[in-house]
Amino acid sequence: DTEVTQTPKHLVMGMTNKKSLKCEQHMGHRAMYWYKQKAKKPPELMFVYSYEKLSINESVPSRFSPECPNSSLLNLHLHALQPEDSALYLCASSREGPRDTQYFGPGTRLTVL
Amino acid sequence: AQSVTQPDIHITVSEGASLELRCNYSYGATPYLFWYVQSPGQGLQLLLKYFSGDTLVQGIKGFEAEFKRSQSSFNLRKPSVHWSDAAEYFCAVGAMDSNYQLIWGAGTKLIIKP
Repeated sequence: DTEVTQTPKHLVMGMTNKKSLKCEQHMGHRAMYWYKQKAKKPPELMFVYSYEKLSINESVPSRFSPECPNSSLLNLHLHALQPEDSALYLCASSREGPRDTQYFGPGTRLTVL
Repeated sequence: AQSVTQPDIHITVSEGASLELRCNYSYGATPYLFWYVQSPGQGLQLLLKYFSGDTLVQGIKGFEAEFKRSQSSFNLRKPSVHWSDAAEYFCAVGAMDSNYQLIWGAGTKLIIKP
């Protein structure tokens, strides 16, 4: 089973709202990732967690706050977003780290009004 | 710096015809190579990958890719496309120099003519 699940599928939020995106995998993977993808572009890496510790933060603005409560779960907390943050947010996981194949979830389509 | 080039922004192919999508990379050693497919509004699905060994790699959905070291290429092929293959295709490279973070090509949009 190579499934990564993400909730919600769609999210519309105002610039003053606080919301969270959730990602879950039950493959026993120890590395999890957040990507942002704008229309007609490849994904851009935002964060990498390895063994539940943040290992890579690609200079992402502080209005995005990741959290890894356990090895199966990854959250992305959103606060005071801008309309340009509207995008598809993809979660991925891999066995141990970036050397291993990454498996992606279906994404959350975020619209910031 | 490493880079991945997918020279074709979009390709139109008739249903039942063969397909080849091009991918070239810039890196000194042999990187890890991947092809992912993305249907509209969906996540990315792994089609196939190359780490080492046999340079012809078989993937899901009838796709295959061939690693050619001399040309720094990893082209994706399918002998006969189906309408359901219409999607965006991304080539990606993982390399030691970048701590194996994936470097992505810009993508090729595949359009299928009936």
